[in-house]
Amino acid sequence: NAGVMQNPRHLVRRRGQEARLRCSPMKGHSHVYWYRQLPEEGLKFMVYLQKENIIDESGMPKERFSAEFPKEGPSILRIQQVVRGDSAAYFCASSYRESDTQYFGPGTRLTVL
Amino acid sequence: GQQLNQSPQSMFIQEGEDVSMNCTSSSIFNTWLWYKQDPGEGPVLLIALYKAGELTSNGRLTAQFGITRKDSFLNISASIPSDVGIYFCAGVYNQGGKLIFGQGTELSVKP
Repeated sequence: NAGVMQNPRHLVRRRGQEARLRCSPMKGHSHVYWYRQLPEEGLKFMVYLQKENIIDESGMPKERFSAEFPKEGPSILRIQQVVRGDSAAYFCASSYRESDTQYFGPGTRLTVL
Repeated sequence: GQQLNQSPQSMFIQEGEDVSMNCTSSSIFNTWLWYKQDPGEGPVLLIALYKAGELTSNGRLTAQFGITRKDSFLNISASIPSDVGIYFCAGVYNQGGKLIFGQGTELSVKP
């Protein structure tokens, strides 16, 4: 009965590289949410996806960030040409239905050198 | 956009004391949630509130959904060392499921 899984737990990238963060939702959940947490701040919503569809991307930066949730496999948050300001903890949450309780994964801590 | 103001930012208390923290907003929320985050981990749901005026308990934790739907509080009674962590309130603004988080309350408990 695994919870939400995220990998890697820690990721180090140099400026200009790409970062790929993966999220496997809880079994039976088809709704995935991505949040970003800067040091000593609360979580900020980025994007909400259902299988193969982006439902709400109002929190996503306009450039360099993209997300997908394919029919098979985990959800991916992709950050191209990373900059130091992208350093943060990125959390994925999943729910069974829209507006149901969201269960969070352990997060991926991205450090950009 | 919608914002949640959470207070206090931090608390230092003695084991056995009661704790209270709250969140307020200028916007109406349909659902209020309280999460706890331990260092290096993701938030874990403590209590969910779905109706204005609702008062819900979970062990030593009690939370209320304000009548105006613009605020919520969380009480922890008889604190213990494992209560240490950061507590976040979160609100659901519309049916889309997007959570709006407060800034967090960092709780330290001295044995």
